[in-house]
Amino acid sequence: SAVISQKPSRDICQRGTSLTIQCQVDSQVTMMFWYRQQPGQSLTLIATANQGSEATYESGFVIDKFPISRPNLTFSTLTVSNMSPEDSSIYLCSVDGGGANVLTFGAGSRLTVL
Amino acid sequence: AQSVTQLGSHVSVSEGALVLLRCNYSSSVPPYLFWYVQYPNQGLQLLLKYTSAATLVKGINGFEAEFKKSETSFHLTKPSAHMSDAAEYFCAVRVSGGGADGLTFGKGTHLIIQP
Repeated sequence: SAVISQKPSRDICQRGTSLTIQCQVDSQVTMMFWYRQQPGQSLTLIATANQGSEATYESGFVIDKFPISRPNLTFSTLTVSNMSPEDSSIYLCSVDGGGANVLTFGAGSRLTVL
Repeated sequence: AQSVTQLGSHVSVSEGALVLLRCNYSSSVPPYLFWYVQYPNQGLQLLLKYTSAATLVKGINGFEAEFKKSETSFHLTKPSAHMSDAAEYFCAVRVSGGGADGLTFGKGTHLIIQP
């Protein structure tokens, strides 16, 4: 299955700043998915990133707050903009791999906003 | 739209006892169903998956799940709990099968193993 590397693994940020999370995959993939896991909660899909086109955002998530880049088939970034404490979460990147219709997840980026 | 309901946010069992974590789904088309496990401070690991082959699915670490269409359920079981099974378990559904849609997750069940 695909191996996913996310950076940073964790960070502490100040309110009002922005942070970019990187997701690198060891193989070419068509779709990349970004999820958010708020403290003690389940995972919620933020957006789907397809190389060469604009990301598709789920209800409740907007491009101005969570801009996504997908420059090639192995890499994507998610930016959390103008952060507030409510953005404190684990952000996870995932791709198809490990079997039919299976999503493989990165270890996540744990973000704390003060 | 699909959805997943996990009954019980916390389940506590004794070491050696049966583990039963409940998952019910809602989907307008035949679904693909998954169980993932998340150990403390770690990412998600696939336990098992149902993709329309056998209804009884065996996964890693001795876990298995049975797909019951009539009950729209996909409960996770393990005959004998081990201390190392303590973790957060997520049931998830995917319907497109074509890669365009991600997974929809349940709220998770925290499994506690009592010594």
